[in-house]
Amino acid sequence: EPEVTQTPSHQVTQMGQEVILRCVPISNHLYFYWYRQILGQKVEFLVSFYNNEISEKSEIFDDQFSVERPDGSNFTLKIRSTKLEDSAMYFCASRSGTGGTDTQYFGPGTRLTVL
Amino acid sequence: GDSVTQMEGPVTLSEEAFLTINCTYTATGYPSLFWYVQYPGEGLQLLLKATKADDKGSNKGFEATYRKETTSFHLEKGSVQVSDSAVYFCAPRATGRRALTFGSGTRLQVQP
Repeated sequence: EPEVTQTPSHQVTQMGQEVILRCVPISNHLYFYWYRQILGQKVEFLVSFYNNEISEKSEIFDDQFSVERPDGSNFTLKIRSTKLEDSAMYFCASRSGTGGTDTQYFGPGTRLTVL
Repeated sequence: GDSVTQMEGPVTLSEEAFLTINCTYTATGYPSLFWYVQYPGEGLQLLLKATKADDKGSNKGFEATYRKETTSFHLEKGSVQVSDSAVYFCAPRATGRRALTFGSGTRLQVQP
C-alpha cells in the first residue's frame, strides 16, 4: 500500500542553523501538509500546499518557515534559523483530492531536536 | 475558531473491556470528522472517519457516529485488546478549510 515517507527520522541541530525536512507524498496526491507535535502536546497544523503554492497556513508558520516542491516527488519544509522551541515531531501528510475523498495520510514523522 | 475537546487520559482498561473516548468539537459548517491513532514510536494513522450527520465510521472493531445535534464523535470499541494501546486523536476538518484540528489526544493503556 502506498505511504508517505519522511527523512530523516531524527535531526539534531544547533540553534540558529537552517534545517530542511523532507517528505515524499503518496504518488498522484495533489494536496500536501505539514503539522508538528511538540512533546506531550497536541498536533498543530502548519501549512497546506496545492498547485505549487501555499493554500493555507497557521500563525505558527511565520517567515522562518518555507515549503517547496522542488520536483515531482519531494515536498520539503525549511526552517531558516531554528529556535529551541522548534524542537518537535514534524509530520508530513498528503491527500488525493480526487474522487471526493478528503482523507489525509500521514508520514512517520521527523523528530527535530534544537540544542 | 475550530476546537476539539477530548477526554483526558490515560485511560487504563483490562483486556476485553468496553471502551469509550469522548470527543466534542466546534467547527464551522458541516465538518468531516476523523479519528487518528498513534501507536508507540509511530506516526499518525487514520482509524476511521465520517463525513455527514448520522454517518457511522468503523474500522478494526472501533466505531464512531457523527452526531451533529450534540457536535460529538465519540469513539467506542466493544472489547479492547492489548494491541489497542496507543494515543487516539479526534480531528474535525471544517468546511472550506484544508487543515485538520486535532484534539489533545487520549492515551489508552490496555492491560492483559
